[in-house]
Amino acid sequence: GQQLNQSPQSMFIQEGEDVSMNCTSSSIFNTWLWYKQDPGEGPVLLIALYKAGELTSNGRLTAQFGTTRKDSFLNISASIPSDVGIYFCAGLALSAGNMLTFGGGTRLMVKP
Amino acid sequence: GAVVSQHPSRVICKSGTSVKIECRSLDFQATTMFWYRQFPKQSLMLMATSNEGSKATYEQGVEKDKFLINHASLTLSTLTVTSAHPEDSSFYICSASAGPYEQYFGPGTRLTVT
Repeated sequence: GQQLNQSPQSMFIQEGEDVSMNCTSSSIFNTWLWYKQDPGEGPVLLIALYKAGELTSNGRLTAQFGTTRKDSFLNISASIPSDVGIYFCAGLALSAGNMLTFGGGTRLMVKP
Repeated sequence: GAVVSQHPSRVICKSGTSVKIECRSLDFQATTMFWYRQFPKQSLMLMATSNEGSKATYEQGVEKDKFLINHASLTLSTLTVTSAHPEDSSFYICSASAGPYEQYFGPGTRLTVT
């Protein structure tokens, strides 16, 4: 099925640096979700965004729902080693029966 | 809250046998459950959507007779991989939705078919 365009595909950064990743789509979504997946585990919901323009924070994480409803970004400030993992964006369109459309993922590696 | 469990976490089976994977929502009732498959270093691929008490809706290319889904209650869905083959080896993840806006994922099941 359709995938969201998520970038970058991977990032290798130094501990303490800030991180930014984003997702874009040709379709409008009602909800944007950001998940983190550790190796061998299921994705864990980090942030959910429900309204265009919404900016939401969860600790060191900040995410925004684009005003066009076709994009979203996730920022991580002051990265730490446990931030390592794969981050997925997901868009949910009510017209699609609550199905999630996933981005390809951003693999984050943090050097202590 | 919003905890989803899966069992087993890992399973190894012989080619030709069937394997059942359970997905449970522990602290909420899930009107809809989803089954995904994930290959190494790839994103999640939706296999099917199941609503309690009705037949599952399968994505294009997913064989419904091979991947049997049962959603008998608001807290339990099962995926049975029938007549498993080595190419069915993968990471299977379920998610559960209590309402229209969020999905919560289980920890996944690693299936290896020998």
